[in-house]
Amino acid sequence: ETGVTQSPTHLIKTRGQQVTLRCSSQSGHNTVSWYQQALGQGPQFIFQYYREEENGRGNFPPRFSGLQFPNYSSELNVNALELDDSALYLCASSLGTGIEKLFFGSGTQLSVL
Amino acid sequence: EDKVVQSPLSLVVHEGDTVTLNCSYEVTNFRSLLWYKQEKKAPTFLFMLTSSGIEKKSGRLSSILDKKELFSILNITATQTGDSAIYLCAYTNFGNEKLTFGTGTRLTIIP
Repeated sequence: ETGVTQSPTHLIKTRGQQVTLRCSSQSGHNTVSWYQQALGQGPQFIFQYYREEENGRGNFPPRFSGLQFPNYSSELNVNALELDDSALYLCASSLGTGIEKLFFGSGTQLSVL
Repeated sequence: EDKVVQSPLSLVVHEGDTVTLNCSYEVTNFRSLLWYKQEKKAPTFLFMLTSSGIEKKSGRLSSILDKKELFSILNITATQTGDSAIYLCAYTNFGNEKLTFGTGTRLTIIP
């Protein structure tokens, strides 16, 4: 157990809907990164939040957005869901922006029908 | 374009065997190479390598980086069924606060 918790664990949505995924970082960690892992692929970087500000973004469209709160927990929002958004969404926390030794949560499995 | 390639994609061995997993990379401004184990959902950190030729060890697992030939290997000796997992390698480069992962190697240990 890493101390990073994500909710919900599973979610089913239909195309066009919006979804919010949540992440509580490990105690003492002030940086949260989000990754998308499609079936049979490695995780892909979506974005990172450090002290409530976006601190780097991967190759994802603007309909993927995020927030980090003063307690360092975070949300990932996806608008206008597409079938290809079906994936495991992983949240990882770390201390500072150094991203080595990330501590990952168990993810949210999103299915878009 | 930066890339990382893992091989083999999958591997099935018997308990007690030794396995070697490969990770090759082509990365500008390379900073580090990391290995993660993903058993169910959450990847867990194994090793981080930054210097060439220095082996990192943890129990039956070890890893080494070759910065001249641009690859890393992960060795697991005396495999156990609990070693069954997907093993992911990832790199970081300077100026970028992200891990870039390979596709992973799915390792299955048969009792």
